[in-house]
Amino acid sequence: AQTVTQSQPEMSVQEAETVTLSCTYDTSENNYYLFWYKQPPSRQMILVIRQEAYKQQNATENRFSVNFQKAAKSFSLKISDSQLGDTAMYFCAFMKHENSGYSTLTFGKGTMLLVSP
Amino acid sequence: DTAVSQTPKYLVTQMGNDKSIKCEQNLGHDTMYWYKQDSKKFLKIMFSYNNKELIINETVPNRFSPKSPDKAHLNLHINSLELGDSAVYFCASSLHGSNEKLFFGSGTQLSVL
Repeated sequence: AQTVTQSQPEMSVQEAETVTLSCTYDTSENNYYLFWYKQPPSRQMILVIRQEAYKQQNATENRFSVNFQKAAKSFSLKISDSQLGDTAMYFCAFMKHENSGYSTLTFGKGTMLLVSP
Repeated sequence: DTAVSQTPKYLVTQMGNDKSIKCEQNLGHDTMYWYKQDSKKFLKIMFSYNNKELIINETVPNRFSPKSPDKAHLNLHINSLELGDSAVYFCASSLHGSNEKLFFGSGTQLSVL
């Protein structure tokens, strides 16, 4: 079974600064996908960024980028130029590639990020 | 138009009651899911359906019965509600069941008194 660990229950950052959220995972799979989801106070789950394990290049989406270290099984999220609207719970998630085509997300316990003015 | 919609958003009920949560997606996706988020915010898969067929059932008590009348709908019926069922239930969908991006509904907060 896969496990996802987020070791930082809470993080805080000031507006315009950069923050990195940590995520490690444990799997014996070689083909899989990693995600960061954001859950603001509205409760909506929003996909922030996605990474395929077979790609060496780190994914980037505007101010969000990841540092994917496959050998270390690490998948951290960097948020640059933090904005007040980035305040949310952030979940790291893992999905293995199934030959059957059916798989589900395994989530970490989340990191609550607070961006202050 | 909301891509994945769940109703109701809030549900307060007494122990022992039976309740249903409805989910509909208008994205033309084949696969739908139910996830449960507990009081500590931990999210865990409950069920996955592909084209109306149950694919994944993650050892959920049989008081929980999902029903998919067509591939755009996946409802969750819960019998004999218990205090421990209090949680936020999320419906989600994806184009297929593998690595596709999941689209989540806004969640249903269930409170069992």
